[in-house]
Amino acid sequence: DAGVTQSPTHLIKTRGQQVTLRCSPKSGHDTVSWYQQALGQGPQFIFQYYEEEERQRGNFPDRFSGHQFPNYSSELNVNALLLGDSALYLCASSFSIYKRSRAGELFFGEGSRLTVL
Amino acid sequence: SQQGEEDPQALSIQEGENATMNCSYKTSINNLQWYRQNSGRGLVHLILIRSNEREKHSGRLRVTLDTSKKSSSLLITASRAADTASYFCATDKIGANNLFFGTGTRLTVIP
Repeated sequence: DAGVTQSPTHLIKTRGQQVTLRCSPKSGHDTVSWYQQALGQGPQFIFQYYEEEERQRGNFPDRFSGHQFPNYSSELNVNALLLGDSALYLCASSFSIYKRSRAGELFFGEGSRLTVL
Repeated sequence: SQQGEEDPQALSIQEGENATMNCSYKTSINNLQWYRQNSGRGLVHLILIRSNEREKHSGRLRVTLDTSKKSSSLLITASRAADTASYFCATDKIGANNLFFGTGTRLTVIP
């Protein structure tokens, strides 16, 4: 049973460029959340997708956008990259948390490390 | 701002000793979770404690929750070098279905 998979694992971009990160959730999971983790910090919530819609969003600008596909996989897009976007981007999947009253355990991928030069 | 704050930021102990790390949070929660992260890798779920629970055990892990003080502690007993990692608490605010992570405690277990 494959866990959460993310691609690419590492990438380098320059300021102003655009990047797309991909995530396949754990089998059976239908909710995907994205987090940004700067060096030495805790993960910061970007947004969450369920039923192909963005359901919740953290304090991130519109340059950060996403998508969820019918097979539950997801993409994170970041436009007009800034140096401060350099971070580890983590994808996490879970069961239908919108059918429950509280958040449950998240399963994380290994992350995509983005370096912006 | 992040929901939780861990204390201490860094902790170094000898193998076999116990490690205790604390988490404080700001708003009412449904549950609190602890995660572990090896350097630069994904997070791994350790344990979940619900707001109506006060203590929970899992192997060498013991978690306590004090909702009146909005705090939790994670105790790792008989530590091993392989326990070296960063540990994060995460909470979900009532009415929200996403987790908010603290700043983490970096634990080093010296063989």
